[in-house]
Amino acid sequence: NAGVTQTPKFQVLKTGQSMTLQCAQDMNHEYMSWYRQDPGMGLRLIHYSVGAGITDQGEVPNGYNVSRSTTEDFPLRLLSAAPSQTSVYFCASSYQRGRGYEQYFGPGTRLTVT
Amino acid sequence: KNEVEQSPQNLTAQEGEFITINCSYSVGISALHWLQQHPGGGIVSLFMLSSGKKKHGRLIATINIQEKHSSLHITASHPRDSAVYICAVRFNGGSQGNLIFGKGTKLSVKP
Repeated sequence: NAGVTQTPKFQVLKTGQSMTLQCAQDMNHEYMSWYRQDPGMGLRLIHYSVGAGITDQGEVPNGYNVSRSTTEDFPLRLLSAAPSQTSVYFCASSYQRGRGYEQYFGPGTRLTVT
Repeated sequence: KNEVEQSPQNLTAQEGEFITINCSYSVGISALHWLQQHPGGGIVSLFMLSSGKKKHGRLIATINIQEKHSSLHITASHPRDSAVYICAVRFNGGSQGNLIFGKGTKLSVKP
């Protein structure tokens, strides 16, 4: 299994540009999430999905869109990039085990907006 | 506000030392995670626990539900243990996506 894959690994955008961060998993997990990681802060949830066709907002959703047309893919779209979106983005998939959800993280995408 | 606090923020140890990283949280949880992040690398889940204690190799995680506190211990530390260790919790009533993360503890183990 490849696990959770993300592309690209690095990206530089100009303010106002749009782009899509790709995320895919091959473990048939129903749950997928997008987080951003900023210096001095814990990871924060952007959007998540509990299954194909179902998405919901997390803590910091503004400026981002998601869709979940298949179980495997969960792309994150930046509509009009802003310098405040400079961050490292992690995609994760998870499955329920007992009272919690086992988490699998992708390798991350480092995004710089100038 | 549901919060997760980790201590210490930074930790330097000599190879072979016993290491403890602490995590405390504000309200009831359904599960707590310990994660490891290497420099420039991705994030790996070490443990998920709801009660008691778990052990994997030289790593031990414990949780005290009444005190709302968890610890991650590393026995016989090694330079390859150098990483950021992150505590994350799913609070009771939270959706599966709503993990709340601590800011991490940066561990450096010197040879």
